[in-house]
Parts: sequence; C-alpha cells; structure tokens
Amino acid sequence: NAGVTQTPKFQVLKTGQSMTLQCAQDMNHNSMYWYRQDPGMGLRLIYYSASEGTTDKGEVPNGYNVSRLNKREFSLRLESAAPSQTSVYFCASNRDRNTEAFFGQGTRLTVV
Amino acid sequence: RKEVEQDPGPFNVPEGATVAFNCTYSNSASQSFFWYRQDCRKEPKLLMSVYSSGNEDGRFTAQLNRASQYISLLIRDSKLSDSATYLCVVNPFGGYALNFGKGTSLLVTP
Repeated sequence: NAGVTQTPKFQVLKTGQSMTLQCAQDMNHNSMYWYRQDPGMGLRLIYYSASEGTTDKGEVPNGYNVSRLNKREFSLRLESAAPSQTSVYFCASNRDRNTEAFFGQGTRLTVV
Repeated sequence: RKEVEQDPGPFNVPEGATVAFNCTYSNSASQSFFWYRQDCRKEPKLLMSVYSSGNEDGRFTAQLNRASQYISLLIRDSKLSDSATYLCVVNPFGGYALNFGKGTSLLVTP
C-alpha cells in the first residue's frame, strides 16, 4: 500500500520562483491536509480540504494556495517563494475529522 | 496560549526505565486524542489513539483526563528503539485539523 505519496522529496528554489507540491492518497480518505514543520514550532496547518471540492485556510496560509484536484489529490502551490518558506512540508489525510491521519514522507524545501 | 502543550524535554533515560509524558490541551470540547511518534527526518506515525477509559498497547499506556484536560503516555521497559519525538495530538470539537503539540524528545541510552 502506497498510503500518502508526496513529490518531490527535496527542492531548492530561488526567491521569487514558484512551484507546486503534489500529494496523492490511495486510501479513499475524505479529508486532506498540508502542514509545515519548522524547528521549535511543531507542525502547523497551512490549508486543509475537508472533502472533495472544498478547501479552507489553516493557521499559516499566507503565501500558499491549494487545489483539491479530486478525491485522491491535493496540491500546494507557492506562487513566489520566500526564504521564510524554507521548511519541511507534510501532506496528510484521514477518513474523517475524528480519525487518525496518515502522513506522506515530507518535502524538504529550501528557498535561497 | 497554544492549544496543545507538551514538555519538550529532552528526556534521557536508560534502557529498561519507565518514562511518562504529559500533554495539556486548551479546548475542553476536544473530541479525539492521539499520540504520534516521529523519528528524525521522518514523517509522524500514529503510536496510539487515546480513549476516555484509557488504553494499553504492549509497553505503552495512554490515559485521558477530561476534567483536567491532559493526556499522558507511559512507556515501560524502554528500548533503544523508543528514541524519538512523541507528539500529542488533539482534534477539537467540530474542527477538521489535528492540532499538534511541539513534541517531547526521548533518548534511551544503553
């Protein structure tokens, strides 16, 4: 079982460049999430999609956009990368709001 | 005040020791509670869910105290392989996003 798959695993961007992080899950989960993890800050929610066709802001949405392409896929876009967006990004999914979440392996992004 | 708070540690314990972690949460209407484990440079993985009646899985015991709004994790007979960061996770009532504590670092030494 693949579970939650994220691509790419590593990326270096220059300030101002754009990129899209891809996430796909094969568990038929309804809800999907994007988190970022920084030293000393823990995991912070960027955006989430409660179900196909809906997206909502989390704790730190500025500088990001998302698309719930279908039930399986949830992408995160950085339109104009900034050094403050250097982080590890995790995609996660769960069946519904009260169930355990499964995480992808993460994307290590460096913006120089 | 952060919604989920944990002692960051680190906790350094010898093999075979018993260690306990506590976590407090601010939203009294929270419904779901979990402990996750995160190894260095890896994704978080579910260790166990936490039920009102408490639950045990081998050497691990989790308890929930709704009145005091805290969750605990007890690890008995610690192994070297238990070295990791343990994340307390709470899902507030009506909310979708899991709220994570910053994690407690555990190092088990020979």
